[in-house]
Amino acid sequence: DAKTTQPPSMDCAEGRAANLPCNHSTISGNEYVYWYRQIHSQGPQYIIHGLKNNETNEMASLIITEDRKSSTLILPHATLRDTAVYYCIVRVRGAGGTSYGKLTFGQGTILTVHP
Amino acid sequence: DSGVTQTPKHLITATGQRVTLRCSPRSGDLSVYWYQQSLDQGLQFLIQYYNGEERAKGNILERFSAQQFPDLHSELNLSSLELGDSALYFCASSGTSPGTGERGLYGYTFGSGTRLTVV
Repeated sequence: DAKTTQPPSMDCAEGRAANLPCNHSTISGNEYVYWYRQIHSQGPQYIIHGLKNNETNEMASLIITEDRKSSTLILPHATLRDTAVYYCIVRVRGAGGTSYGKLTFGQGTILTVHP
Repeated sequence: DSGVTQTPKHLITATGQRVTLRCSPRSGDLSVYWYQQSLDQGLQFLIQYYNGEERAKGNILERFSAQQFPDLHSELNLSSLELGDSALYFCASSGTSPGTGERGLYGYTFGSGTRLTVV
């Protein structure tokens, strides 16, 4: 799985958009970008994933550059409850349980949302 | 509730003892993963089981072992405990359960963890 680089920490004001960057310059063509977050001492929570097109769901938007070497997770209106560690993970998408492997977590970005 | 159940939530035990952590995966998920999260380290992958068989091993100590039972629940056994084993232990599941949608097919669901304190 390709290695990712994230800033160790970021701050954001409540109600503003939080833009979390991730570099994955060695990503392969069949690797997806996944984002997870971990709110203090809770289990990591899936946010979103994508291959090359921009993706949006009820939680966030994912913008992937055209060369796929970097991506940005956008929380459009950050709240205090979005304070968490955000992990960007690149891996091959499994077609079934047998082809699944572990998720490798880096250090992530600590996002602190301020009132 | 993520659908992955871990018990117990908290566990305090003495050095040298043995404990068992339990994980019930989300309904229909065939794969179970165990992770350890210490204060000074990130989430470390320990081991994966798929439909009862071991699939992958990470940084799991020889004092630790795991298994997955026919009903797909999994247990992580930690023996000869040391102070350094104090950590959060998470279980995650994944699979191809019909009807679970995109997230179910390609995502991983984590439990709320077991906090182990060795004194």
